[in-house]
Amino acid sequence: AQSVTQLGSHVSVSEGALVLLRCNYSSSVPPYLFWYVQYPNQGLQLLLKYTSAATLVKGINGFEAEFKKSETSFHLTKPSAHMSDAAEYFCAVTPYSSASKIIFGSGTRLSIRP
Amino acid sequence: NAGVMQNPRHLVRRRGQEARLRCSPMKGHSHVYWYRQLPEEGLKFMVYLQKENIIDESGMPKERFSAEFPKEGPSILRIQQVVRGDSAAYFCASSHPGETSGNTIYFGEGSWLTVV
Repeated sequence: AQSVTQLGSHVSVSEGALVLLRCNYSSSVPPYLFWYVQYPNQGLQLLLKYTSAATLVKGINGFEAEFKKSETSFHLTKPSAHMSDAAEYFCAVTPYSSASKIIFGSGTRLSIRP
Repeated sequence: NAGVMQNPRHLVRRRGQEARLRCSPMKGHSHVYWYRQLPEEGLKFMVYLQKENIIDESGMPKERFSAEFPKEGPSILRIQQVVRGDSAAYFCASSHPGETSGNTIYFGEGSWLTVV
């Protein structure tokens, strides 16, 4: 079975500061991992995904995430936060196979201080 | 618009009525997923369907909820005899069968159900 834990339901950083959103996964088989972003009253937009190729994955809007098997982590980072990054971020996991549901974490709300 | 289309975007129902939410997947996608998002909570998986077939309904409540994805037309999530606790955002997502780059699913904008 797969599961995802996002540490910190709310994260607040200053504009221009480093963004770090934590995600740890549990999977009995090699996983695919995703980060999605949700703006208020909208659907989820894919930021980036890990599919067993490079362990450092670059996504849209300057975000990246690193897959660390030894730590079962897939933390999301951005070197310099922008006001427009304020949103809800979800980490998700699915097993390395087709025809499987994707399991989401509980989300982390990112706030940006001017 | 080639994205996942959901309608209605907002739906208000009185307790005891039925709610029907529709989802048209992206062009070429034949896998559909439904998720529910309660206020201040994450996304909870409900059901995974292919055309005319339910693959995984492990997240569906045992009563009042049903989903279908017919050969023709959109996928429909049906909630009978709605209660206040059904008030939530319902998101549909779709994916391409046999995608080799990792089961990526693409979301619609959601349907917000309010039960009064």
